[in-house]
Amino acid sequence: NAGVTQTPKFRVLKTGQSMTLLCAQDMNHEYMYWYRQDPGMGLRLIHYSVGEGTTAKGEVPDGYNVSRLKKQNFLLGLESAAPSQTSVYFCASSLNRVYEQYFGPGTRLTVT
Amino acid sequence: AQTVTQSQPEMSVQEAETVTLSCTYDTSESDYYLFWYKQPPSRQMILVIRQEAYKQQNATENRFSVNFQKAAKSFSLKISDSQLGDAAMYFCAYRRGGYSTLTFGKGTMLLVS
Repeated sequence: NAGVTQTPKFRVLKTGQSMTLLCAQDMNHEYMYWYRQDPGMGLRLIHYSVGEGTTAKGEVPDGYNVSRLKKQNFLLGLESAAPSQTSVYFCASSLNRVYEQYFGPGTRLTVT
Repeated sequence: AQTVTQSQPEMSVQEAETVTLSCTYDTSESDYYLFWYKQPPSRQMILVIRQEAYKQQNATENRFSVNFQKAAKSFSLKISDSQLGDAAMYFCAYRRGGYSTLTFGKGTMLLVS
């Protein structure tokens, strides 16, 4: 039981490049989330999903897109990376809206 | 919108001593949940403790306990018998009842020596 995994763990992008972060969970959780963590800012919600095929915006959604084609996977896309998107990205999942969220190990993204 | 405030960017404690981390929140809701998460240098977010707003009794998990003051909208974390492994960033988080999303504070770095 791997829990929540994230791919890749590290990535360096140039401004304007695109990439996709993959989050996978093997706990059959309905809900999945993407957060970003910046120094002194805590974690801020980017997008989330309450089930396969659904997505919703969080606090800081601009510049990101997401997809939840399969229940176990939640993808975060950056279409045209900007230096302001340099951050550590965390994925999380929860069984439903009542139970606690379980977090992945994070992806450190640097945009130069 | 709900806000969570952690006013202590950094705290220090010696091994075996007790430390209290502060958290205040702002909400007009009556149904909500509060959490403390620990983030060690490995970056992995670990749930330490949770408190349901409707419960008057303060939550306790081994050496970790909370002081939940609903009227004051205060939710502090007490760590007893501090250990080197407790050194981490601690985040306070809020979740509105019936909703799944979390609102985090900015964190408190706990140093243990």
